[in-house]
Amino acid sequence: EVQLVESGGGLVQPGSPLKLSCAASGFTFSSNWLNWIRQAPGKGLEWVASINPDGSSTYYPDTVKGRFVVSKDNAKNTGYLQMNNLRSEDTAMYYCALQDTWGQGVMVTVSS
Amino acid sequence: DIQMTQSPSLLSASVGDRVTINCKASQNINKYLNWYQQKLGEAPKLLIYNTNNLQTGIPSRFSGSGSGTDYTLTISSLQPEDFGTYFCFQHNSWPLTFGSGTKLEIK
Repeated sequence: EVQLVESGGGLVQPGSPLKLSCAASGFTFSSNWLNWIRQAPGKGLEWVASINPDGSSTYYPDTVKGRFVVSKDNAKNTGYLQMNNLRSEDTAMYYCALQDTWGQGVMVTVSS
Repeated sequence: DIQMTQSPSLLSASVGDRVTINCKASQNINKYLNWYQQKLGEAPKLLIYNTNNLQTGIPSRFSGSGSGTDYTLTISSLQPEDFGTYFCFQHNSWPLTFGSGTKLEIK
């Protein structure tokens, strides 16, 4: 069974860093793009980051570019989202996702 | 950036109805358009990929069509379990973008 499990969320103060993990199983992780998508409470979906299968190329929207870094460790079947200089507007449920499979999400709350 | 304008934002329909949800892209997205269904408290679920390809395990009452800038999700005969919010998503070009969602309520 294809499965993605996020971890690492929590409550942090503005300006703090936080690193999310995404543990993958049931498929060939090294052959797949990995995406991060977020959803603020009661709001729609926003794409946050993508990384290609071998980790050599990454993509971000302007809202997080320069603050967020996506990576993947194909040997550990794990993806990561390093989030720096967090803002209140980054408060959201964060999902890691393939095109056809999403994790259950992890909540990140940025508040003083 | 490609803007995805989704309509309607709210839809109320009865069991058995034919339902359509639309997404209009601000430029040609070459059929790189997915549809997702999300229920409260759950992650989105892929229904249709690349405009008209039904994801494995999704009932055949769901279908997609479109080209260029205009895309449609159709539910041929609405079932009670089809309530939720539907999102379109373009993956033709960076940054990837979602529609704002259509909340489907069952009358």
